[in-house]
Amino acid sequence: SQKIEQNSEALNIQEGKTATLTCNYTNYSPAYLQWYRQDPGRGPVFLLLIRENEKEKRKERLKVTFDTTLKQSLFHITASQPADSATYLCALDFYYGQNFVFGPGTRLSVLP
Amino acid sequence: EAQVTQNPRYLITVTGKKLTVTCSQNMNHEYMSWYRQDPGLGLRQIYYSMNVEVTDKGDVPEGYKVSRKEKRNFPLILESPSPNQTSLYFCASSLSRSGKNIQYFGAGTRLSVL
Repeated sequence: SQKIEQNSEALNIQEGKTATLTCNYTNYSPAYLQWYRQDPGRGPVFLLLIRENEKEKRKERLKVTFDTTLKQSLFHITASQPADSATYLCALDFYYGQNFVFGPGTRLSVLP
Repeated sequence: EAQVTQNPRYLITVTGKKLTVTCSQNMNHEYMSWYRQDPGLGLRQIYYSMNVEVTDKGDVPEGYKVSRKEKRNFPLILESPSPNQTSLYFCASSLSRSGKNIQYFGAGTRLSVL
């Protein structure tokens, strides 16, 4: 079965730096890969979507890359701010099966 | 405003006492699903529905039931709750099953089964 891993459970960075979060998967590549932000006690909120045949997508300070050879997606937040502190989840949608598969999440803390 | 509404937000109950968590969306979405979130395990799908009267099991369906009689509503039923169902539950909806569509999540229901 598919296994999704996200880098270290928690990541601390200094304000103004670029945060890089990873999402690794095994076996088959997903048709779509999504990134969500989740604040404590709240539901996940969609951030970015990238398709299997896309290498990179950007939205303001956010950038996501997708490398099917490495079976990895990277999520970057440039010029990070304390308000970016949250848990970030990757979600993969595969051609087979009926379910989205979520990664365990990475808790990002941006220190002032 | 587009939203997914879950009720209640918090619930404490005892083992064996049937309960229902309601979920409603106002976006005319076809696809709805229920997830549970546990520390270290992430979000796991319990049940999903592709449309009215079409439901199917997700990854962790044991001990849960759902129904989809109307497009907007997708209640989660625990017929005989047990302590291992203590968790944070989220309802989500999207235009269709395809991963090209954004999933919209409710605010969550924190359930404690004593």
